[in-house]
Amino acid sequence: QVQLVESGGGVVQPGRSLRLSCAGSGFTFRSFAIHWVRQAPGRGLEWVAVISSDGTGKQFADSVKGRFTISRDDSKATVSLQMNSLTVEDTAVYYCARYTGYYGFDYWGQGTLVTVSS
Amino acid sequence: DIQLTQSPSFLSASVGDRVTVTCRASQGISTDLAWYQQKPGEAPKLLIYSASTLQGGVSSRFSGSGSGTEFTLTINSLQPEDFATYYCQQLNYLPLTFGGGTKVEIK
Repeated sequence: QVQLVESGGGVVQPGRSLRLSCAGSGFTFRSFAIHWVRQAPGRGLEWVAVISSDGTGKQFADSVKGRFTISRDDSKATVSLQMNSLTVEDTAVYYCARYTGYYGFDYWGQGTLVTVSS
Repeated sequence: DIQLTQSPSFLSASVGDRVTVTCRASQGISTDLAWYQQKPGEAPKLLIYSASTLQGGVSSRFSGSGSGTEFTLTINSLQPEDFATYYCQQLNYLPLTFGGGTKVEIK
């Protein structure tokens, strides 16, 4: 069955870095773009970043542009989100999701919590 | 960026009620809109895509309509498992923005 599993969350001080991973299984990973979406405590969903199926296309929300990077390793069916210069506003549960084009995000991971605090 | 405005942000309803949630886009997005359901502590779940197409396995109590800038999600005969927060998302332009959410609670 299709599965996405995030890892790498934790508590980090402001200004430090963290790397999240999203591991996919049960589908042809290289055929799908993968998005990251985050949700601050008690808040709504915020789109963060996307990497295209072939890895050449990458886009970021203005709130993270210049601080976050995204990459994929299809040999390991993994997408990574490198988060630098973290601020308290980056505190959230981070989800990765499979993108089916205009059909939406049909599978999501369970989320990984990132807490930025001194 | 395309802004999505959901209304209401909160609604209280009873089991068996019919409820409607509205999502308005700041510019036309054709029918490139999805609806998600999220329960506390869980990831969002895709309910509807292309504004009105039910995702496989989703109850037929859920339906969607609209195009351009105005969309609706309707839940017929609300069931206990439907009490959750609902989000719309536009899939037309990056960033793929979400609406602010509508929390459906038990009256």
